[in-house]
Amino acid sequence: AQSVAQPEDQVNVAEGNPLTVKCTYSVSGNPYLFWYVQYPNRGLQFLLKYITGDNLVKGSYGFEAEFNKSQTSFHLKKPSALVSDSALYFCAVRDIGGTGRRALTFGSGTRLQVQP
Amino acid sequence: DGGITQSPKYLFRKEGQNVTLSCEQNLNHDAMYWYRQDPGQGLRLIYYSQIVNDFQKGDIAEGYSVSREKKESFPLTVTSAQKNPTAFYLCASETGTGYNEQFFGPGTRLTVL
Repeated sequence: AQSVAQPEDQVNVAEGNPLTVKCTYSVSGNPYLFWYVQYPNRGLQFLLKYITGDNLVKGSYGFEAEFNKSQTSFHLKKPSALVSDSALYFCAVRDIGGTGRRALTFGSGTRLQVQP
Repeated sequence: DGGITQSPKYLFRKEGQNVTLSCEQNLNHDAMYWYRQDPGQGLRLIYYSQIVNDFQKGDIAEGYSVSREKKESFPLTVTSAQKNPTAFYLCASETGTGYNEQFFGPGTRLTVL
């Protein structure tokens, strides 16, 4: 079975500082990995994905994520945080090569709070 | 929210009532999904459909039912058998290839009175 862990319920960072939101995954085959952001009472918005190729993936709004196969991690990063980045962030995985279903499995979410 | 509409935005239900949440997409996507979101628990999969007239149970299907009679529509019925239905419900769709991201609707917040 596939699973995702987001070990931090909340991350606090000052505006202008770099931010990292952590994600680790477990799959039986090869992973497809996704990051989504959710603003209050809204649906999820896609940020970026890793399918194959370069381990550093660039996405929307200046976010990027680094895929590390040996550590089974896919941490979300941004060089300089903005107050408007404050939101709930979800990591998700799809197991392609295993017997897992096609649906995504989501982590529990990490609330990012950027202080001015 | 990317061509997916959900209605209503807020829904109130009395105990013992069935209610149906609407999800419509105009993205020509094959696959559609229903998730439930509770605070601190992320999203949990209720049902999904890879193609018209076919659907599968997710992790928490008990007390819910769906239909997929049209490609554009994937309504979710919350039945009286669902013991704790108060939650935020999200519908999503994707092309179905497995390589692409899911697009999410704006959600429906269901409250049981």
